[in-house]
Parts: sequence; structure tokens; C-alpha cells
Amino acid sequence: ILNVEQSPQSLHVQEGDSTNFTCSFPSSNFYALHWYRWETAKSPEALFVMTLNGDEKKKGRISATLNTKEGYSYLYIKGSQPEDSATYLCAFSRDNDMRFGAGTRLTVKP
Amino acid sequence: DSGVTQTPKHLITATGQRVTLRCSPRSGDLSVYWYQQSLDQGLQFLIQYYNGEERAKGNILERFSAQQFPDLHSELNLSSLELGDSALYFCASSVATQYGYTFGSGTRLTVV
Repeated sequence: ILNVEQSPQSLHVQEGDSTNFTCSFPSSNFYALHWYRWETAKSPEALFVMTLNGDEKKKGRISATLNTKEGYSYLYIKGSQPEDSATYLCAFSRDNDMRFGAGTRLTVKP
Repeated sequence: DSGVTQTPKHLITATGQRVTLRCSPRSGDLSVYWYQQSLDQGLQFLIQYYNGEERAKGNILERFSAQQFPDLHSELNLSSLELGDSALYFCASSVATQYGYTFGSGTRLTVV
């Protein structure tokens, strides 16, 4: 069973705050961990794919880290902006299967 | 435009009816995946096809079926529709699972 847990379920921050969320996944037979950004009324958009323990990826103000041995990944947003408001999904792939977590819904207030 | 095309964008139909959702994957992608997102739920995996063959099955109801054609487009058939089938249905495609998916814009199905 591929259980992917994300926390928190939702988060409200003020513009300029930095924030982070967690994704937990099974640590056995790991292939890759994916982060997606999903804006309301749009389709999920890939942010990062990470495959190696200790991987760190960065795109602008957003970065992610990966710990495959303990089965978790963190997504960080530095200096949140209202346009960062979205649901952030993580997905774990193993063999030929990928399962998504329920997501963290981020709301950034101006 | 992500390169994954889903039609129609919206569909309203009555209970008991049957509908077909269509997906054309991104050029070069052999795998097609179908997901359902119901109100306040996450993405629920339904089924995957790879180069015309069923590769993996998730929480897909027996009333639902899918196929992938030689040109790699895929169709998801939903029959004997119930109110609870109202959802956003996403198709995604990929070269291989570990490289991530490209999602289409979804089909919003409303069963009345």
C-alpha cells in the first residue's frame, strides 16, 4: 500500500512569511518523490522530481529536500506571496505506480 | 497548454446515463493515467495504460472502464452514472512514472 501523508492539511500565512510543509511516504523500494502545485480551476503542475537521498531542489523562492531513509520530504516557500496560494501535492512513485497525497492547501493573505 | 488534451471540458448528464471522456497524451508519452477528484477529496488513481495495455488499476468502479488506442489516445467510459460520480476527472501522461506526469486540464462531470 502506497500511503502518502501530507501535513498540514491547510495553512494560512501572511504575505512575506516563510512556510514549509511535510510529505511522508514509504521508505522501501523508493523510486522518486514529486511535488506539484495545483491552483484552483487549473491542473496540477510539476514543481520538482527528486530521486536521491539528500536531494535538494530549488525554483525561485520554493525549495524541497528529500530524506529517503526516513521517508519524508519538506517543501519550503520563502517570503510567501499571494500568488503562491495553491494546493501543494506530493506524490511517491515506486515500480510503475504513483500515488498522491491529499495535499496542503496554502492561502497567502496580502 | 501542457500538451495533454482532454475533452470535453464540462459535461452535464442525468443519472443512469453513460459518458465517454477522452484524453490525448503529450507527444512521445506512452503512459496515460486517469484520476478522479471529488469534492474536497484528493486525486484518486483510477487506472493506467501503457502503449495500449492496462498497466495498473486503482479504485476504479466496475461501472467504469477505459482503453488506450493504437494512436495512444485514451477514453474513460463511465456508465450507470450516479450523483456521486460527479467529479473532476484528470488525465495525465508520462514517459515513465519516475519522471512525473503532465496533467490535462480535466473534465468536470456533473450528474444530475
